[in-house]
Formats: sequence, C-alpha cells, structure tokens
Amino acid sequence: AQSVAQPEDQVNVAEGNPLTVKCTYSVSGNPYLFWYVQYPNRGLQFLLKYITGDNLVKGSYGFEAEFNKSQTSFHLKKPSALVSDSALYFCAVRDKRDGGFKTIFGAGTRLFVKA
Amino acid sequence: DGGITQSPKYLFRKEGQNVTLSCEQNLNHDAMYWYRQDPGQGLRLIYYSQIVNDFQKGDIAEGYSVSREKKESFPLTVTSAQKNPTAFYLCASRAEGLGNTEAFFGQGTRLTVV
Repeated sequence: AQSVAQPEDQVNVAEGNPLTVKCTYSVSGNPYLFWYVQYPNRGLQFLLKYITGDNLVKGSYGFEAEFNKSQTSFHLKKPSALVSDSALYFCAVRDKRDGGFKTIFGAGTRLFVKA
Repeated sequence: DGGITQSPKYLFRKEGQNVTLSCEQNLNHDAMYWYRQDPGQGLRLIYYSQIVNDFQKGDIAEGYSVSREKKESFPLTVTSAQKNPTAFYLCASRAEGLGNTEAFFGQGTRLTVV
C-alpha cells in the first residue's frame, strides 16, 4: 500500500537559517512526488514535484527538494528561511503504475520561522 | 482569471440536515477531487471524478454524495448519515494525463455542525 510519512509535526527555525522538512514514502512502483504549502484557512498551493530525471528539484519561493530513491525520501529544503515561510507543508505521492490518479498526502508539518 | 472556486467559505449545519458544498473550475481539467482535512490527519480522499458523469468513492465516502453533470462542476453533499461532518473541505482539480500533473486547490469550505 502507498503511504507517506512526515516524521515531524513541527519544525522551528530562525530566519536566515536553512530549513529542512522531511518526507519519506512507500510505493510499490516508481513515484511521482509533490510538495504543497497551506496557509491558514486556505487551500493547498503547489510548490514543486519530482517526475523523473535530476534528483534535485527546484520550485517556487526558493524551495527545493531532493529525491533519494535508496532512502525513499523527498525532503524539502530552503537555504535561507523567511518569516513568511511559516505555514503547513504537505508531502504527497502518486504511484506511476496505477496511472498516477490517486494521490496520498502526508499528515503535514507545521513550519515556524522566528524573526 | 483561471482557477477553482469553492463556496461558501463557511457553512453551518444543523443535526439531520443535508448540505451541499459547491466546487467550480475553469481550468478545463478532467479530474476533480474532494478531500476532508482534520487537524493532524492530513487530507483524506472522499470522492473523485475522472470524467463527466463518472465518479469513484475515495477512502471515506460514507455519508457523502457527489455528482459530475458538467466538466466545470463537482458539488459535494454532506448527508445526515455523516456522523462527524465538522471539518475543512477542499476541492481540487488536475489535468488528466500520465499522473505527473499537480493539483489545483480551492480555498476550502469550513463546515460546522451546530
């Protein structure tokens, strides 16, 4: 069965420091991987995705993520955090084998960036 | 201005009432989804539709119903059979294809039972 784990409920980081939000996944086949961000009382916004090719993916607002097949991970990173990055972050996975229709979301990680 | 619109933003339901949440998109997407979001549980799939006049149950379909009579519209009805309907509901759409496209989300509807 497909699953996504975000092991940290909350991540705290000081403004200007690098940030990492962790994600590990389990799928039977090869995955499509996504990161989304959610601000309070809003819908999710797409940040970036891994489909194939280069393991380092760059996305919106200076975020990037690295696909690691051996560790089945897709951690979200940013070199220098901003207070405005404070939000709820979701990792998501789709299995290519079933046509990639059904998306599984992690439980979310709340990021706090302190000024 | 393309996007996906949910209404209303806030909705209050009395015990035993059915209520319908609206979701409209002008992105020309074939696939549409309804998710329920509860604190600490991420998003859970209620129903999805790949094409007009067709839809499938997700992981938590009991107590919910949907229709897909038009490509642009995918309304969700929360019936009285749903025992714990208080939650944040999110509608999403996606361009169908090889599965590598990202989803676009509406702003959500917060449903509260009073």
